[in-house]
Amino acid sequence: RKEVEQDPGPFNVPEGATVAFNCTYSNSASQSFFWYRQDCRKEPKLLMSVYSSGNEDGRFTAQLNRASQYISLLIRDSKLSDSATYLCVVKGVTGGGNKLTFGTGTQLKVEL
Amino acid sequence: NAGVMQNPRHLVRRRGQEARLRCSPVKGHSHVYWYRQLPEEGLKFMVYLQKENIIDESGMPKERFSAEFPKEGPSILRIQQVVRGDSAAYFCASSPPGGLGYGYTFGSGTRLTVV
Repeated sequence: RKEVEQDPGPFNVPEGATVAFNCTYSNSASQSFFWYRQDCRKEPKLLMSVYSSGNEDGRFTAQLNRASQYISLLIRDSKLSDSATYLCVVKGVTGGGNKLTFGTGTQLKVEL
Repeated sequence: NAGVMQNPRHLVRRRGQEARLRCSPVKGHSHVYWYRQLPEEGLKFMVYLQKENIIDESGMPKERFSAEFPKEGPSILRIQQVVRGDSAAYFCASSPPGGLGYGYTFGSGTRLTVV
């Protein structure tokens, strides 16, 4: 089983739509969780951290369910510029607790 | 403040040559991480270094690959006797000491092409 699993997509949605991505992780001792965004094979960029209480940043909402080992990202009112690959990332447990483990990413295409 | 700087941005090597990839972390950051992204695949952890120490090299291939982060100067990822399968994007990230809650900032990467 992969450490971090995501549906690869692609998710093709019209502009203005709401889209949700899900991710599961295998190690229950994982300590920190993030969503990153990657455009066209450029470097990944931190989108937001994910907390059990849920957190929101503008049109983006992230949620963590530790009991189910499940992470989600909701994007409201999608923009063309949201088209990218979204990476679910888990941190901790090995290597002194500082290693990031990436999912393979979910591709989003927002269309007119 | 400059972010993580990687060079070269693009590197072409013939099979059998050596590739040296450099990463200068954010000023004040003492932790460096190297990741590899093969075409059409996700990012894979390679190695985690602190100044003069390798902390976790569980993702490094056993042969031909080595990494260092000396007291002075950038971190270096070295690939000896490159093969076509080494063609990939190599990303470096850095972080300050501690702070499990922090995400990392990545450099722009080095695209290695082996011909």
